[in-house]
Amino acid sequence: DIQMTQSPSSLSASVGDRVTITCRASQTISTSLNWYQQKLGKAPKLLIYAASSLQSGVPSRFSGSRSGTDFTLTITSLQPEDAATYYCQQSYSPAYSFGQGTKLEIK
Amino acid sequence: QLQLQESGPGLVKPSETLSLTCTVPGGSISSSSYYWGWIRQPPGKGLEWIGTISYSGSTYYNPSLKSRVTISVDTAKNQCSLKLSSVTAADTAIYYCARHLWGSHGPYMDVWGKGTTVTVSS
Repeated sequence: DIQMTQSPSSLSASVGDRVTITCRASQTISTSLNWYQQKLGKAPKLLIYAASSLQSGVPSRFSGSRSGTDFTLTITSLQPEDAATYYCQQSYSPAYSFGQGTKLEIK
Repeated sequence: QLQLQESGPGLVKPSETLSLTCTVPGGSISSSSYYWGWIRQPPGKGLEWIGTISYSGSTYYNPSLKSRVTISVDTAKNQCSLKLSSVTAADTAIYYCARHLWGSHGPYMDVWGKGTTVTVSS
């Protein structure tokens, strides 16, 4: 099974900050990596697919990148509504596993 | 904006079968462009992909759940169903229905239902 490890598990940042969340795969997954945002009590929302493709309707301050088996979600100019838990998900092979999540708090 | 709606019992007894239905408005469940599936989230924990079904009925299951899971589609009713047998307390979770897109980089979920909470308890 492919393991996805996110870091950090939680972070706190201020409005306007640049934030990066990392997801590491336990083996090569090419660019088969997706990012989701989940606000408290809500269903997840797709942000990024195929490592760096921005889902329609998602603000351009969100971006994704890949370096080998390391993937990064970057939020530039953090907004209050970005408070949420962020999950990566590998779509390379079943069980299409998710990372454990990164909780982002706005100071 | 497509809205998926999960439904089913909120309480299931241990060893019984959990059965949920996802209603997909507008007939898009028959489209060859989409797959349909289920993801769950235990209380306070992360997400777990359960399985996916194509418009033609091909199924893909999480290996850790495969022996207990059945996903099906009823195009006449515009519904996708999940059955999970022999449930235990570990199956207590919010269950989400989601539309999947499946490209060269594998499946990803672009539309989600609001989720339905299922508790396994006697």
